[in-house]
Amino acid sequence: DAGVIQSPRHEVTEMGQEVTLRCKPISGHNSLFWYRQTMMRGLELLIYFNNNVPIDDSGMPEDRFSAKMPNASFSTLKIQPSEPRDSAVYFCASSQGTSGESDTQYFGPGTRLTVL
Amino acid sequence: QQQVKQSPQSLIVQKGGISIINCAYENTAFDYFPWYQQFPGKGPALLIAIRPDVSEKKEGRFTISFNKSAKQFSLHIMDSQPGDSATYFCAARGNTGNQFYFGTGTSLTVIP
Repeated sequence: DAGVIQSPRHEVTEMGQEVTLRCKPISGHNSLFWYRQTMMRGLELLIYFNNNVPIDDSGMPEDRFSAKMPNASFSTLKIQPSEPRDSAVYFCASSQGTSGESDTQYFGPGTRLTVL
Repeated sequence: QQQVKQSPQSLIVQKGGISIINCAYENTAFDYFPWYQQFPGKGPALLIAIRPDVSEKKEGRFTISFNKSAKQFSLHIMDSQPGDSATYFCAARGNTGNQFYFGTGTSLTVIP
């Protein structure tokens, strides 16, 4: 199993540009999570999906952020327009989405975003 | 509001020593408590987890101690090794969904 796949691994963009981060969860997993990690705020949950449906997006900082999951094997997190304060590492994680030990979340390698 | 409070922020331990990281929570609805280990440039990875119906779980050199009445749990790393140097996150999951709440992380450095 390839694990959770994220792309790109690194993204450098200028303020005002649109940024799209991509995630492929582990096959068979029903839940997908987007996190943002910074030194100041640690690991923050932005949004999570269950069976491709957004369940909780209360962590999305503002309307500039949007996330979609058009099918079980693909999700995107979009920032438009991007700002320097969006610079962080963005992680995607997936889990089987059932109660018990199978709720383990498996994290991707992350996308390091730098907005100049 | 931080649902899970973690301490210390950083920890330096001599090789062979015991590393202890503590977490506390308020929500009694939490029913699953994992610890994640993160190396630089990598995503967090599950290390060990516990449910509140047991007070301790051990896997190799890693032990979780759980105190339900105090709403606290801790990670103990016995015989700490330089390869254990990483950031450790505690987390908690509510019983009405599969959203995890993470602590702020502890940067562990094990000195040879």
